[in-house]
Amino acid sequence: GNSVTQMEGPVTLSEEAFLTINCTYTATGYPSLFWYVQYPGEGLQLLLKATKADDKGSNKGFEATYRKETTSFHLEKGSVQVSDSAVYFCALSDPDTGGFKTIFGAGTRLFVKA
Amino acid sequence: DTAVSQTPKYLVTQMGNDKSIKCEQNLGHDTMYWYKQDSKKFLKIMFSYNNKELIINETVPNRFSPKSPDKAHLNLHINSLELGDSAVYFCASSQQGTAIYTFGSGTRLTVV
Repeated sequence: GNSVTQMEGPVTLSEEAFLTINCTYTATGYPSLFWYVQYPGEGLQLLLKATKADDKGSNKGFEATYRKETTSFHLEKGSVQVSDSAVYFCALSDPDTGGFKTIFGAGTRLFVKA
Repeated sequence: DTAVSQTPKYLVTQMGNDKSIKCEQNLGHDTMYWYKQDSKKFLKIMFSYNNKELIINETVPNRFSPKSPDKAHLNLHINSLELGDSAVYFCASSQQGTAIYTFGSGTRLTVV
């Protein structure tokens, strides 16, 4: 079945360090891909998305490129801040369900130290 | 105005009880969802509804019964609560075809 695999955390970085969180997917068809962020005690918020191969999603300094050849959608940020500390979820819209189901990865917790 | 609101935020109850969680969205979306997040943060879909019709039922025990009285509301009733039901339950909504979700802030259910 369709699935999302992302790197296990926690990831601990110092402020201004470069961030990469790896995400790969397995899907039949052509899913849309997403990154969501969850701050403590809150629901998930959409961070960025890409709907087709080679699309780059970007928001708040975060970027991810839809790579069909490597079935990947890695999240990057050039310089993290303490306020970026959160749990990050990679997700795909399951093409087998007409878009009525989104499959989430297990989440990667990021800690940024001042 | 909160876009997707869930009540209650916290729910502590004994095994065997029946409880309900309510969800309302004011975004005009036509699709609503329930997701369960376990203690390791893993998120799993339970149900999705489109225009009040059940679309996805992800092999959830029939102790869980969703109800959508209209497009803006999706409630979750749970019968005979078990310890394993302890989790955070998230409601979400989207416009059909976008798969861009807006989540509520969650209901932390603790069964003792």
